[in-house]
Amino acid sequence: QVHLVESGGGLVKPGGSLRLSCAASGFTFSDYYMGWIRQAPGKGLEWVSYISSSGTLTHYADSVKGRFTISRDTARSSLYLQMSSLTAEDTAVYYCGSPNVGWGQGNLVTVSS
Amino acid sequence: DIVVTQSPDSLAVSLGERATINCKSSQSLLYSSDNKNYLAWYQQKPGQPPKLLIYWASTRDSGVPDRFSGSGSGTDFTLTISSLQAEDVAVYYCLQYYTTPWTFGQGTKVEI
Repeated sequence: QVHLVESGGGLVKPGGSLRLSCAASGFTFSDYYMGWIRQAPGKGLEWVSYISSSGTLTHYADSVKGRFTISRDTARSSLYLQMSSLTAEDTAVYYCGSPNVGWGQGNLVTVSS
Repeated sequence: DIVVTQSPDSLAVSLGERATINCKSSQSLLYSSDNKNYLAWYQQKPGQPPKLLIYWASTRDSGVPDRFSGSGSGTDFTLTISSLQAEDVAVYYCLQYYTTPWTFGQGTKVEI
């Protein structure tokens, strides 16, 4: 059974940084490209970032490019999202996962002074 | 970027009746090397994460009731709920993962 658990979210001031983690289990983590999506309050789903199964290839939405960094640790079956220079527009629930596997329960990031 | 457009934005269906949601992509999502359509469907209920229903356009995820089915190829796709149940009230999203940026449809709200 697929299990994806995000952690590391919370309240952060504008301009601050935060690192999200995602622990994966129930599937062969190394076989799947992974990603982060987010959902601002009352809004639809938005793709944030992608990382290939090997970890060598990454892509980012224009809205986060240069501020967010995705990475993975295959030995730990874990995915990460380092977020910096955060603004109010980054306030959202962040989900980790993969299109064919599903998404975690989400972690709320609130950017506010 | 690939634009994904869902229709309708909302629909009301009687219990036991069929619900049909469409998803149209601005480019083909059929990858020639593996003959797969890179399109998934998700169900999201209030306060819950999106739940995977269908991937590769027509493969039902494990544990998903067989009243949910996906069809289509290329640029036009459909999610069908053959006999709507009360627990199916939710917002449904399609996602193209053929290329980045992955793009979601705007969502379709299904009500009784």
